[in-house]
This record gives sequence, C-alpha cells and structure tokens, in this order.
Amino acid sequence: EMQLLESGGGLVQPGGSLRLSCAASGFTFSSYAMSWVRQAPGKGLDWVSAISASGTSISYADSVKGRFTISRDNSKNTLYVQLSSLRAEDTALYYCAKVAVAGTRNDALDIWGQGTMVTVSS
Amino acid sequence: EIVLTQSPDFQSVTPKEKVTITCRASQSIGSSLHWYQQKPDQSPKLLIKYASQSISGVPSRFSGSGSGTDFTLTINSLEAEDAATYYCHQSYSLPHTFGQGTKVEIK
Repeated sequence: EMQLLESGGGLVQPGGSLRLSCAASGFTFSSYAMSWVRQAPGKGLDWVSAISASGTSISYADSVKGRFTISRDNSKNTLYVQLSSLRAEDTALYYCAKVAVAGTRNDALDIWGQGTMVTVSS
Repeated sequence: EIVLTQSPDFQSVTPKEKVTITCRASQSIGSSLHWYQQKPDQSPKLLIKYASQSISGVPSRFSGSGSGTDFTLTINSLEAEDAATYYCHQSYSLPHTFGQGTKVEIK
C-alpha cells in the first residue's frame, strides 16, 4: 500500500524555522515527483512547492519563494521542506503528495499524507 | 499564475439529487484539471484527473467534463457520504493552483 507520513510540525515563533519530513513507502519513491500543499485552519488547499523525481527541477508558490526550500533524499525515500522566516500566515496543515504518473511534475496528486500542523505564533 | 474560480461556494442538496460544480480557469489549461474530495478531518482524495478520466475505486456517480477554461464535476444521485468540500486543481503550468473549494451539504 502506498503511504506518505509527514512529521516535524509544531509551534514556532514568527521569524523562526522548521523542517518538515515526509516518509514514503509502498512505491518507487525515486520515480515520482512530489509536492507540498498546505491548508490553513478552516481554509482551502494552497499549493506550496514541487520537486522532480531526481530533485533537479523545483518550483515554489510566490508566497513562499525565498523562504521555503524543498528537497528529497531518494536513498531514504523521504521528502523535505525547510521553512524559514516563518509568518503567522504560514500557519497551516502541511500535506505532502505524490504525482500520479512517473516522470512529470505536472500531474494530478493521487496519494496524500495525513498532514503535519505548523503553528506560527509568539 | 493561473486562477481557478469554483462555483458555487456552497450547495445544500437532497440525497439522490444531481450536483454540478464548475471550475473556471483564468486562461486555457487544456485538460490539465483535476478534482478532489475532502471530508472533514481527512486528507484530500483524487476523484477525477485530466478533466474526465475516472480513478479506480471512485464511485461511477462522479464524472467530469470540460476543456480549455471551463470544467464541471457532476455527482449523479448524491449519497449522504458525499458530504464534503470539492476542489479543482490545475497542473498545466507552475505554480500549480487550486480552486477555493465548494462545500456540499446534505439536506
């Protein structure tokens, strides 16, 4: 069974940093692009970032560009996102998600984790 | 950035009724439009990909149509378990974007 398990969320002060992880299992992680999507409490889905299967192609939403860094370790089947210069508006449940078809970042997201909550507050 | 606008924002529907949700893109995205269902306290679930392609395990009462800028998700004969928020998502160009969501309530 394909699974994604996020971790690393928590309470952080404005301006602080946090690294989120997403452990993948049940599929060939190194063949699939991955994305981070977040959801503020009571709000809709907000696309954050995507990384190609090899890790060489990366994209970000304008709202996080320069502050968040996506990466992956295919030897560990793990996706990461480093969150820096955090703001109150970054408070959200952060999901990692797998694209449906190997070899492209531009595809539907067919497997989602359960999310990890990030709260930015003093 | 491509903006996706869903309508309506909220719909209250009787079981067995037909539900139609639309998603309009700010520019043409071909058929690179996907639909998700999110129930309270759950992760999103892929319902339809590339505007009209069905997903294994998703009930056949869910269908999608459209291309270019206008897309539709249809739920035929709504069931109580379909109470959820539905989102469209475009993967035509980066950054990817989502619609604001349509909440479907069962009367």
